[in-house]
Amino acid sequence: DTAVSQTPKYLVTQMGNDKSIKCEQNLGHDTMYWYKQDSKKFLKIMFSYNNKELIINETVPNRFSPKSPDKAHLNLHINSLELGDSAVYFCASRSTKETQYFGPGTRLLVL
Amino acid sequence: DQQVKQNSPSLSVQEGRISILNCDYTNSMFDYFLWYKKYPAEGPTFLISISSIKDKNEDGRFTVFLNKSAKHLSLHIVPSQPGDSAVYFCAATPYSGAGSYQLTFGKGTKLSVIP
Repeated sequence: DTAVSQTPKYLVTQMGNDKSIKCEQNLGHDTMYWYKQDSKKFLKIMFSYNNKELIINETVPNRFSPKSPDKAHLNLHINSLELGDSAVYFCASRSTKETQYFGPGTRLLVL
Repeated sequence: DQQVKQNSPSLSVQEGRISILNCDYTNSMFDYFLWYKKYPAEGPTFLISISSIKDKNEDGRFTVFLNKSAKHLSLHIVPSQPGDSAVYFCAATPYSGAGSYQLTFGKGTKLSVIP
């Protein structure tokens, strides 16, 4: 009964490939997020969706495209992967103002 | 231009003593502050929060203090337990009006509680 789940947990791929990370929440929340934790350990917002609509799109290369097929899912597709994309990607969802629930993270390594 | 700063990358405390983790922010628009706890290979877990209209919020062993004039908040853990050993992230959010409540995180402080 995991609240926020992500697949895969680990992803190792070559430069130039296209990959997707999936996120699902079973909490009934309206808002979902993607965060990136880079090598310096900063957690930074990438995207936010509210009821399947994009409401935040930080300065992220357009190789990254979020897709929300329904309120419970927010997937992240990455085209033409680069070495600098190696990071841990966290999905989160929110109900009330103060609480975002995070997934376990997807560790992406681009070789 | 770090808007949320945690200047201590690590902290070691003896079991049973108080742990004090500090956080400073620069953006005056922040009106809600949160602490998250993160174990290795897991996602951050919400711990406690405080609104800018308060100066203290307590939940069991955890208390968060907010000093708005100094733009400073702290998390107190009393008594500290070995299971508290983790990375603690401070986060802040302004009221954006769009309902997004975008969180800005600090870099984290690694707390080690020594038995």
